[in-house]
Amino acid sequence: KAGVTQTPRYLIKTRGQQVTLSCSPISGHRSVSWYQQTPGQGLQFLFEYFSETQRNKGNFPGRFSGRQFSNSRSEMNVSTLELGDSALYLCASSFSSGRGTDTQYFGPGTRLTVL
Amino acid sequence: AQTVTQSQPEMSVQEAETVTLSCTYDTSESNYYLFWYKQPPSRQMILVIRQEAYKQQNATENRFSVNFQKAAKSFSLKISDSQLGDTAMYFCAFMSGYNNNDMRFGAGTRLTVKP
Repeated sequence: KAGVTQTPRYLIKTRGQQVTLSCSPISGHRSVSWYQQTPGQGLQFLFEYFSETQRNKGNFPGRFSGRQFSNSRSEMNVSTLELGDSALYLCASSFSSGRGTDTQYFGPGTRLTVL
Repeated sequence: AQTVTQSQPEMSVQEAETVTLSCTYDTSESNYYLFWYKQPPSRQMILVIRQEAYKQQNATENRFSVNFQKAAKSFSLKISDSQLGDTAMYFCAFMSGYNNNDMRFGAGTRLTVKP
């Protein structure tokens, strides 16, 4: 089975621009979670989508948004980029049976640099 | 809110020796899951081991085992017969059994295995 894939792997943007990152989960997985990883703040949960609905949300401003498509692929969007948005953005997928917590499998991440 | 604390920012161990990474967490919930993830340099994060809070028996995966002390809210990872490939950042993570897929991570421990 193919693992979680994320595109693009690297991205350079300037302040004020917006960016869209993509995540394709493992086949059969219906839940996709997004995390931001920075040296200062570590790994922080952004949001989770399940069956095209946002099910959980972390403490990030509204500039961070996402969506999930019917094939479970997910995108996250960051508008009006700030220097502090420079980070590794990780996506993780799980089967999410609904009866409990399933293991999350991570993608390689998208390295976003904001200049 | 749940918090995860890893008090050892960096550790090192000689090849073939044993090392223990510490993790403590704070929660008022009784149903939750704990994880150790490994993030090798410039490579994606992979699951090392997982523990369900309702299980008293400590989880084991080959050379990796945990010491789960529920009352003390402690979840340490022991790596036996350390190998050079174990060099990585190790993250302890907590997930509520009631709020699926909102995973909280510790700050990480950078482990270096020396030949």
